[in-house]
Amino acid sequence: GESVGLHLPTLSVQEGDNSIINCAYSNSASDYFIWYKQESGKGPQFIIDIRSNMDKRQGQRVTVLLNKTVKHLSLQIAATQPGDSAVYFCAEMGNFNKFYFGSGTKLNVKP
Amino acid sequence: DAGITQSPRHKVTETGTPVTLRCHQTENHRYMYWYRQDPGHGLRLIHYSYGVKDTDKGEVSDGYSVSRSKTEDFLLTLESATSSQTSVYFCAINTGEQGDNEQFFGPGTRLTVL
Repeated sequence: GESVGLHLPTLSVQEGDNSIINCAYSNSASDYFIWYKQESGKGPQFIIDIRSNMDKRQGQRVTVLLNKTVKHLSLQIAATQPGDSAVYFCAEMGNFNKFYFGSGTKLNVKP
Repeated sequence: DAGITQSPRHKVTETGTPVTLRCHQTENHRYMYWYRQDPGHGLRLIHYSYGVKDTDKGEVSDGYSVSRSKTEDFLLTLESATSSQTSVYFCAINTGEQGDNEQFFGPGTRLTVL
């Protein structure tokens, strides 16, 4: 995005490989989580969500895993493509249904 | 995209001037949000609204006010802009009636305060 990208952790993967992006959340009471993708100059784009009564959810080429024991969320992207290059961040819904966002991971897909 | 537009998309202003950013949605969602995005901080909630004339503060509300006189519009005002308010501002809506569902974002407004 326009204002993220500085000092972000970066994951570099080869085109066609699988990508795994991780996120640690803070509130054990959070019961809803969303993964977003943000391309430069654009707003965050909803990718996939998961509620706390699940530990895995699959979408098209993406899978989200939730480990409530260690408060960890991951996003797996299968067969990563150049168009997947972006900043990815997770959001947790905490008290009063407010969302809290991580600072993001930059995914760099090498052709 | 949930029919969210923001205006203006870019603005440069001077310290001490008032600024109002507008968020408009076309789908009558109850919950609307204003965030700012800065390097190293991710997205931080400024204010949110859970209905017409119903608003509440987020984690970084100092220096900002909001108004929601119609379901479709949520305005963010900087009464007297400061350089620390230079940021990218995003509006969002929640599709859930209780604000507990997917949250979608607008395209953003880049604000520069000189």
